[in-house]
Amino acid sequence: QVQLQESGPGLVKPSETLSLTCTVSGVSMRSYYWSWIRQAPGKGLEWIGDVYYDGITNYNPSLKSRVTISLDTSRNQISLKLSPVTAADTADYYCANTLGIDIGGFDFWGQGALVTVSS
Amino acid sequence: DIQMTQSPSTLSASIGDRVTITCRASQSISSWLAWYQQKPGKAPKVLIHKASSLESGVPSRFSGSGSGTEFTLTISSLQPDDFATYYCQQYTSYPLTFGGGTKVEVK
Repeated sequence: QVQLQESGPGLVKPSETLSLTCTVSGVSMRSYYWSWIRQAPGKGLEWIGDVYYDGITNYNPSLKSRVTISLDTSRNQISLKLSPVTAADTADYYCANTLGIDIGGFDFWGQGALVTVSS
Repeated sequence: DIQMTQSPSTLSASIGDRVTITCRASQSISSWLAWYQQKPGKAPKVLIHKASSLESGVPSRFSGSGSGTEFTLTISSLQPDDFATYYCQQYTSYPLTFGGGTKVEVK
């Protein structure tokens, strides 16, 4: 059974760094792209970026200057760092996997982690 | 970036209704389109990939069609479990982009 589980602080101060981890079980990390997607309260879905199992990353240009996505295959984890944050970064953050461009959409999703940016 | 535009943004319908949601891409995406269903407080769930291929376990009342720039998601007979928000998403080029969503609500 494939499971993705996001974890990390639920409250981050403005100008600081948002850090989240996604732990994967039930599937090999190889051959998949691992994405972070966010959803502001009451809003739509925004793709943040992804990382392939070889470590190659792709980022949304709108966030590229502030985002780092990496993976640790030994721990079956994907991490997200976003810095510096503002109130506009308050959102549910999801990790999800896909086979890649021109292959597939997001097959499996984590339950999401709500991160609030507030002092 | 490829812009994905969904219509309508909200749709009011009754049990048994046939429901159609449209998604338009700002440039051709061939058939590289997925549809998702999201319920409040839950992660999206994929319904259809490659524009018209139903995911395993998804009821056959859901269907997708289209190619190029215009796509539709149809629910042939709306059921109580189908009241949710639906999103389209293109996966032919980066950045991956979603439509703005269509909320299907009780009429």
